[in-house]
Order: sequence, then structure tokens, then C-alpha cells
Amino acid sequence: QKEVEQNSGPLSVPEGAIASLNCTYSDRVSQSFFWYRQYSGKSPELIMSIYSNGDKEDGRFTAQLNKASQYVSLLIRDSQPSDSATYLCALNTGGFKTIFGAGTRLFVKA
Amino acid sequence: DAGVIQSPRHEVTEMGQEVTLRCKPISGHDYLFWYRQTMMRGLELLIYFNNNVPIDDSGMPEDRFSAKMPNASFSTLKIQPSEPRDSAVYFCASSSFSGRASGELFFGEGSRLTVL
Repeated sequence: QKEVEQNSGPLSVPEGAIASLNCTYSDRVSQSFFWYRQYSGKSPELIMSIYSNGDKEDGRFTAQLNKASQYVSLLIRDSQPSDSATYLCALNTGGFKTIFGAGTRLFVKA
Repeated sequence: DAGVIQSPRHEVTEMGQEVTLRCKPISGHDYLFWYRQTMMRGLELLIYFNNNVPIDDSGMPEDRFSAKMPNASFSTLKIQPSEPRDSAVYFCASSSFSGRASGELFFGEGSRLTVL
């Protein structure tokens, strides 16, 4: 079993809709969780971090964490074509080691 | 502020040649990570350093790969000899695990390596 699982997609949503991206993980000791966005040919950039159970909102983005279910999600409200990218779920395992899921490709159709 | 700086941006070499990739982390960051990204395997952690000391190199694929961090502002990843299967984008990232931005990685632009 991979340590961080994501649906590779592509996930296609119309402009203005909510995009929902999901991630599950296997290491129960993980404490810090992140969502990175990567445009084609570019490097990953952090868009959200979450450290405790519940929701965290930042503009159009909401990260949700459920440690009991080992589940992290990212919601993008009012999706824009500029949101089209690959979204990488990441977490810190013990010792500050950061590992990534394979990523979900998102397409927002104008 | 300058971000993570990597060089070269692109490298094309022939099988058997030595390849050296370089990274300058963000000043004040005490963690440095080397990742490799391919379509098949995604973003793989190769090795990471804390205060210039290698902490975990379990992701280094084989003895042909080596990494060093002689000081807080410079790291290298070396492949010798290189093979076509080493073709990938190699990213360097740095981080600080203290304060509000704990654990967030800041990536360089990557070095795209092609081994013919």
C-alpha cells in the first residue's frame, strides 16, 4: 500500500463549480499535512497546510483533515480555468520526512 | 527574498557521464530535500539534510547517487555514472520546522536531466 493515495484523475469541473480533491494516508503518526499545486512544467507550490482535525479555509480553498479516518481533502470553490493543475497531497512522517502522493490532475472548463 | 536556486535548469548528457546538480536553499532554512519527479513514479524523496547533516538517504536509488551539503548555503546531488533511467526532473526544496510555516517546503525550479 502506498503511503499517500490520491486519485490521479483527471477531475474535470465546469468554471464556477466546486472541485473536491481527496487523499488518504497510511501512517498514523503523521501530524502535518499539505496541499501543493503544480502547473505543467513548473515546480510545486504550497497552497494549504493543516495540522489539526477539522476545516481550514483560505480564500477559495478549504482543507479538511480527519486523522481518525486518515483522510485529507481540498475543496476549491468557484473554480477558475487558472486552477487547472496537478494537486499534490503531502505529509510529514516522523523525523520531518515529507512524502507526496502521485497527484490529481484538475481541469476547469471555461 | 531569493527563493531556492537550482542549477543547471537543463542538462543533456550521455550514458556513463557524471552529472552534478546544485542547490542553494533559502537563507535560514535548516532542512534541505532532494526529490526526483517522473511521470511513472511521481515525486520521490531521495535524501534530506538537517543542519547540513544527511538524515535519511533511504530514497537514494543506488550507489551511483550521492549527495553532499558542505555548508548551509549549498548542496549537490551527483550521479556517476549516469544511465537513461535517471532521466527526470530533480527538485531541491528547503524548509524550516519552526514557527508558523513549520514543515512547508519551498521548491526550486528544478533541473531537467536527460541521459541519452
